[in-house]
Amino acid sequence: DSGATQTPKHLITATGQRVTLRCSPRSGDLSVYWYQQSLDQGLQFLIQYYNGEERAKGNILERFSAQQFPDLHSELNLSSLELGDSALYFCASSLRTGGVVDTQYFGPGTRLTVL
Amino acid sequence: DQQVKQNSPSLSVQEGRISILNCDYTNSMFDYFLWYKKYPAEGPTFLISISSIKDKNEDGRFTVFLNKSAKHLSLHIVPSQPGDSAVYFCAASKISSGSARQLTFGSGTQLTVLP
Repeated sequence: DSGATQTPKHLITATGQRVTLRCSPRSGDLSVYWYQQSLDQGLQFLIQYYNGEERAKGNILERFSAQQFPDLHSELNLSSLELGDSALYFCASSLRTGGVVDTQYFGPGTRLTVL
Repeated sequence: DQQVKQNSPSLSVQEGRISILNCDYTNSMFDYFLWYKKYPAEGPTFLISISSIKDKNEDGRFTVFLNKSAKHLSLHIVPSQPGDSAVYFCAASKISSGSARQLTFGSGTQLTVLP
């Protein structure tokens, strides 16, 4: 099964800058999740949206924000970037939310490098 | 505070033999467990899952075992094939605030199957 779609694949920027990562869910999926994977770490859950509304928040910094638009695509905004923000950022989508356990289908990730 | 731990960063096995990947968790609120496989430059893909009401789930060459009393699960791959070489992530799910489910991932185990 194919997963969510993410752009760009790579992003190189400088400290203090602001970037936007984009995610399109699989056709029919209403939930979008954002994860951060730093070097040799597991995936850290950042935030979830369902049908345009925020549903759950994880370890997301105040410098980071996200939204899900009416067409269900989502954007993750990272501002005042620091060297430690360099990581792989994954988006995943699933059909539903709530108490049901849904398989999450991941995108290929965006590799962010902050110099 | 790592609630899901994969203590072996890497594992090498011979083609045709059994691969056993282990995962420990600390939070008794987790009620669903999943394994994801990740190839380089791709997002994680769902492999197999198990509900906390079961102790075993099998899908072809892949079997997941859950020991709730020990808070331990394992993934068995039999027979192992070179194409199974990937990073395997253990993930645990629980209902969080707002009735949304969150996945908590381990740090992953790099499996290498030697021909």
